[in-house]
Amino acid sequence: GQNIDQPTEMTATEGAIVQINCTYQTSGFNGLFWYQQHAGEAPTFLSYNVLDGLEEKGRFSSFLSRSKGYSYLLLKELQMKDSASYLCAVRDGNYQLIWGAGTKLIIKP
Amino acid sequence: ETGVTQTPRHLVMGMTNKKSLKCEQHLGHNAMYWYKQSAKKPLELMFVYNFKEQTENNSVPSRFSPECPNSSHLFLHLHTLQPEDSALYLCASSHEAGVPETQYFGPGTRLLVL
Repeated sequence: GQNIDQPTEMTATEGAIVQINCTYQTSGFNGLFWYQQHAGEAPTFLSYNVLDGLEEKGRFSSFLSRSKGYSYLLLKELQMKDSASYLCAVRDGNYQLIWGAGTKLIIKP
Repeated sequence: ETGVTQTPRHLVMGMTNKKSLKCEQHLGHNAMYWYKQSAKKPLELMFVYNFKEQTENNSVPSRFSPECPNSSHLFLHLHTLQPEDSALYLCASSHEAGVPETQYFGPGTRLLVL
């Protein structure tokens, strides 16, 4: 079967750096997405990786290794507003989006 | 308004009620999606419409009935639901289904079935 694994919950300190990992096993691969979802709100698009390597976008970066079935989302200079759930999703060979259960990130002062 | 809107934001219903969820997108997209989000579980894709045609029905019980009258509007009709159907129902849209497009989500309807 197809599967996306990410930690259930992580805690980090304001101003620090945190890395949220995502591993996947899917039938084919057509890209990996990261979404941010604040409690009670819509998931919002953060990043998209289809080739190996690091994509940087301000304080957020996303890395992909297709051979390892692995991605991470790196958040720098953490702010309290970064407290949210971070969803990893992979588009498989049939262009279906397979979702992880999300990682709840708690930022402490 | 811009983006994807959903109404109502919150809904409480009994198992014998009939209600409908509404989604509207203002992005000019051609694909719309219904997802179910339960606590600590991955998003579950329920239905996909591409150019008003239903292209996906992921073994969803018949007590959920989608309707897509045009590319901008999507409804989810609910009847004789069960308590385990309580969840956040998210609508999303993208330019087109079946291609590597980013999906844009609405804020969701929080449904409680008593």
